[in-house]
Amino acid sequence: GDSVTQMEGPVTLSEEAFLTINCTYTATGYPSLFWYVQYPGEGLQLLLKATKADDKGSNKGFEATYRKETTSFHLEKGSVQVSDSAVYFCALRASGGSNYKLTFGKGTLLTVNP
Amino acid sequence: GAGVSQTPSNKVTEKGKYVELRCDPISGHTALYWYRQSLGQGPEFLIYFQGTGAADDSGLPNDRFFAVRPEGSVSTLKIQRTERGDSAVYLCASSLNGRGGNEQFFGPGTRLTVL
Repeated sequence: GDSVTQMEGPVTLSEEAFLTINCTYTATGYPSLFWYVQYPGEGLQLLLKATKADDKGSNKGFEATYRKETTSFHLEKGSVQVSDSAVYFCALRASGGSNYKLTFGKGTLLTVNP
Repeated sequence: GAGVSQTPSNKVTEKGKYVELRCDPISGHTALYWYRQSLGQGPEFLIYFQGTGAADDSGLPNDRFFAVRPEGSVSTLKIQRTERGDSAVYLCASSLNGRGGNEQFFGPGTRLTVL
């Protein structure tokens, strides 16, 4: 079945450092790919998405590019802030009949220190 | 407008008891989803409603779990004879409809602890 594997945390960075959180997936067909973020005490929020190969999703300075050849969707940000401290989840939504269902990775806790 | 709300935010119960978890979706959203997030894991799909009917309940772990959405709005997840392994955060999400292009909006979750 479909699965998502993401880099295990926790990740601790200093403010203004470069961030990469790796994510790879296994799925048939052409899934859509997502990054969700969960800030402390809040619910899951969609951060960015990409629906086809070579698409780049971006939001709040974060970017991720849908790479079908490497089945990857790595999250990057050039300069993190303390306010980016949160848990980040990579997820996919299958193409075809079950395209309402999200499959998530385990999450990566990011802590940014001032 | 109001987002997805879930009550209670925390529920502590004893092994063997029955619990109900409630989800209020965003007004006008016809699709509703339940996910379960165990400690250290990502959310896992449980069930999807389109309107009043459960279109896919393949993620429910066993027959102790049941969910309803009688009027196509509020949904209740029901767990019978709770076990310690049921302890998790139960997340509800809703979307405009079940078509894949529609974003799922998540509630804050109910943290269930079974002692």
